[in-house]
Amino acid sequence: DAGVIQSPRHEVTEMGQEVTLRCKPISGHNSLFWYRQTMMRGLELLIYFNNNVPIDDSGMPEDRFSAKMPNASFSTLKIQPSEPRDSAVYFCASSSLGAGEKLFFGSGTQLSVL
Amino acid sequence: LAKTTQPISMDSYEGQEVNITCSHNNIATNDYITWYQQFPSQGPRFIIQGYKTKVTNEVASLFIPADRKSSTLSLPRVSLSDTAVYYCLVGDNNSGTYKYIFGTGTRLKVLA
Repeated sequence: DAGVIQSPRHEVTEMGQEVTLRCKPISGHNSLFWYRQTMMRGLELLIYFNNNVPIDDSGMPEDRFSAKMPNASFSTLKIQPSEPRDSAVYFCASSSLGAGEKLFFGSGTQLSVL
Repeated sequence: LAKTTQPISMDSYEGQEVNITCSHNNIATNDYITWYQQFPSQGPRFIIQGYKTKVTNEVASLFIPADRKSSTLSLPRVSLSDTAVYYCLVGDNNSGTYKYIFGTGTRLKVLA
């Protein structure tokens, strides 16, 4: 299995631009998580899906952030408009549904908003 | 808020055994305890998981007392390549759905 695949690996954009981050979970996994990591705030859970349905988006910082999961093999995290304070590493993780299931992380997207 | 508390950092020397303890006083009955390792520029990676007593795999051991309010990750004979951040995680089912909230983690530095 190729693991969780995220793209792009790096993204540099200017303030005000729209940014779309992509994630392909491991086949057969039915839970998907988006995390953001910064030095100041550590790993923050933004949103997660079970069976393609958003379950908890309480970690999404503002309305500028949105996430979708149109099918079991694809999810996007969109920031519109982007701001310098959105600069961070964004990780996607997937797992099988249920207690005790392990999280498998992608390599992350390093986002820099200038 | 994370349900776990760990030391912020630890230093050790190559060849030593390292024990990292995590407190999770409010662990729920059906929560597992899972430890992850994260290297710079990579996502966290699963190390070991347990529910009670002791679990051992090729990488580490996990000790869990009977009350399950804490756990200890034990890394035998660490090497420089074990320098990483180690996170202790328990599930969070308080809001009616199951999610995983990371704490600050323990930054382990292995010295030559």
